Amino acid sequence: GDSVTQMEGPVTLSEEAFLTINCTYTATGYPSLFWYVQYPGEGLQLLLKATKADDKGSNKGFEATYRKETTSFHLEKGSVQVSDSAVYFCALGGGRRALTFGSGTRLQVQP
Amino acid sequence: SAVISQKPSRDICQRGTSLTIQCQVDSQVTMMFWYRQQPGQSLTLIATANQGSEATYESGFVIDKFPISRPNLTFSTLTVSNMSPEDSSIYLCSVADPGDAYNEQFFGPGTRLTVL
Repeated sequence: GDSVTQMEGPVTLSEEAFLTINCTYTATGYPSLFWYVQYPGEGLQLLLKATKADDKGSNKGFEATYRKETTSFHLEKGSVQVSDSAVYFCALGGGRRALTFGSGTRLQVQP
Repeated sequence: SAVISQKPSRDICQRGTSLTIQCQVDSQVTMMFWYRQQPGQSLTLIATANQGSEATYESGFVIDKFPISRPNLTFSTLTVSNMSPEDSSIYLCSVADPGDAYNEQFFGPGTRLTVL
């Protein structure tokens, strides 16, 4: 079955540091890939998505590229802010499929 | 994009009782999903609830414990039956957006359930 593996947290960074959160997947067919973010006390929000191999999703300075050859969808941001502190979930699915989520990675950004 | 509301937003319930969670969408959607997020954990799919058909449950979830109704294209309910403390979780509904080939799912704010 489908599965998503993402790096353990928490990840603690200083403001303006470079962020990478690793995500790899196994899936049947050709799913879409997603990053969702959950800010403290808030609901789940879609951060970015990619629907086919080599697509790059981007939003709010975050980027992730759908790498079929390495079955990966790593999340990156060049300069994090305190306001980026949240839990980040990698997921696959879409196209009438329910989402399969990774375990989530908590990011803490210190001023 | 779809706007989703859930009721109640939170509740504290006694062991052995049942709670029905409502999910209302501001547009007609075919595909709706119910997820559970246990404390500090990721989201796990409970069932897929498409209008006009019986809900499809994932392994480990059964209809007797989590009955679902889907009476129309904008509304669904999930009941958590005969609750135990292990059912304490956030329950979320989500819908798939047909306008983007179902490649985007929107989530409700969740219902935070505590079972004593």
